[in-house]
Amino acid sequence: RKEVEQDPGPFNVPEGATVAFNCTYSNSASQSFFWYRQDCRKEPKLLMSVYSSGNEDGRFTAQLNRASQYISLLIRDSKLSDSATYLCVVNMQSNYQLIWGAGTKLIIKP
Amino acid sequence: DGGITQSPKYLFRKEGQNVTLSCEQNLNHDAMYWYRQDPGQGLRLIYYSHIVNDFQKGDIAEGYSVSREKKESFPLTVTSAQKNPTAFYLCASSPRDRGETQYFGPGTRLLVL
Repeated sequence: RKEVEQDPGPFNVPEGATVAFNCTYSNSASQSFFWYRQDCRKEPKLLMSVYSSGNEDGRFTAQLNRASQYISLLIRDSKLSDSATYLCVVNMQSNYQLIWGAGTKLIIKP
Repeated sequence: DGGITQSPKYLFRKEGQNVTLSCEQNLNHDAMYWYRQDPGQGLRLIYYSHIVNDFQKGDIAEGYSVSREKKESFPLTVTSAQKNPTAFYLCASSPRDRGETQYFGPGTRLLVL
């Protein structure tokens, strides 16, 4: 089993729709969780950190479920500019290294 | 402007050749990292460094070497021992190495001739 797993997609979604991504992780001792966004042939950029209480930033909402070991990202009112690959990232507490999921590709269609 | 720079943007390697990828940061970050990304895959850690003159192997260090002589610089050498070097190479930094947010350079795309 991979340490961090994501549905590779692609998710093809009409503009204005709501889309949700899930990510599961294997190490129950993980402490830090992030969502990064990566545009085609570009570097990843931090979208948001994920906190235990859940957090929201505009149209984006991140949730953490420690009992089931998954994190989620919800995008409301999707825009064409949201088209990208979304990477789930988990910190392995034992060595503080970040473990990266393979990413979920999102395509927003007009 | 603070940030991370990588050069070159594209690099071509001939068989048996060593090539060096540059990574420089002016964010005053202690920790720096090198990742490799292959199509459709997540980032895999090659090497990382917590502090000047110290670095550790990541998951796929074979065929690569690094140095950390200055806080700002963390060059990666892809040696001839790396038999499948074609990939997108990303350098990152973070304030410390405690699983914090990492900030990335624009990447170098390495191709084998």
